[in-house]
Amino acid sequence: EPEVTQTPSHQVTQMGQEVILRCVPISNHLYFYWYRQILGQKVEFLVSFYNNEISEKSEIFDDQFSVERPDGSNFTLKIRSTKLEDSAMYFCASRSQTSSYEQYFGPGTRLTVT
Amino acid sequence: SQQGEEDPQALSIQEGENATMNCSYKTSINNLQWYRQNSGRGLVHLILIRSNEREKHSGRLRVTLDTSKKSSSLLITASRAADTASYFCAADTSGTYKYIFGTGTRLKVLA
Repeated sequence: EPEVTQTPSHQVTQMGQEVILRCVPISNHLYFYWYRQILGQKVEFLVSFYNNEISEKSEIFDDQFSVERPDGSNFTLKIRSTKLEDSAMYFCASRSQTSSYEQYFGPGTRLTVT
Repeated sequence: SQQGEEDPQALSIQEGENATMNCSYKTSINNLQWYRQNSGRGLVHLILIRSNEREKHSGRLRVTLDTSKKSSSLLITASRAADTASYFCAADTSGTYKYIFGTGTRLKVLA
């Protein structure tokens, strides 16, 4: 069964460093999303992406964040200058235009900022 | 309270029993999904129910939706130890498939 994959599974970085989190959505999906979950808290929407542009973003998704689909398969989230409070689990999700609209999530990348 | 509040926050049952988790939301929805998350792991999609549907089944799972009460419930029948996980509802309130997640119910099934 097709699935969303994410790499790395765990990323440790120092405050102020740039990180890129990678996702490979399900191959025939057209809509892509990033969410994050700070330990012990709710899953929060960050951004949605369609047709090579951001469809919607939350207040969390400030100028430090960017997303890109550099090729036909990868979808990336970049954090330019990480802060301690960026430590969280980051989930990528994708959705097919023609399915019954379920969003399928990847296993997540645990980002630890020290 | 916020959109997508589940109750109970934690539930402990014996294997073989049924588990019911509830989710309430504040505004109208386009659709609502239920997910399972094992500790520290990813979100596994369980069921999507649309605003014009009242009940859906998938194996041992049954989801109901009451739009007049702005609530949904997830029933797991004949629970197993492997069902131990956190369960979240996620509501699409804007029709843009930006999901608002609830706080989750931590289910523990004792063997």
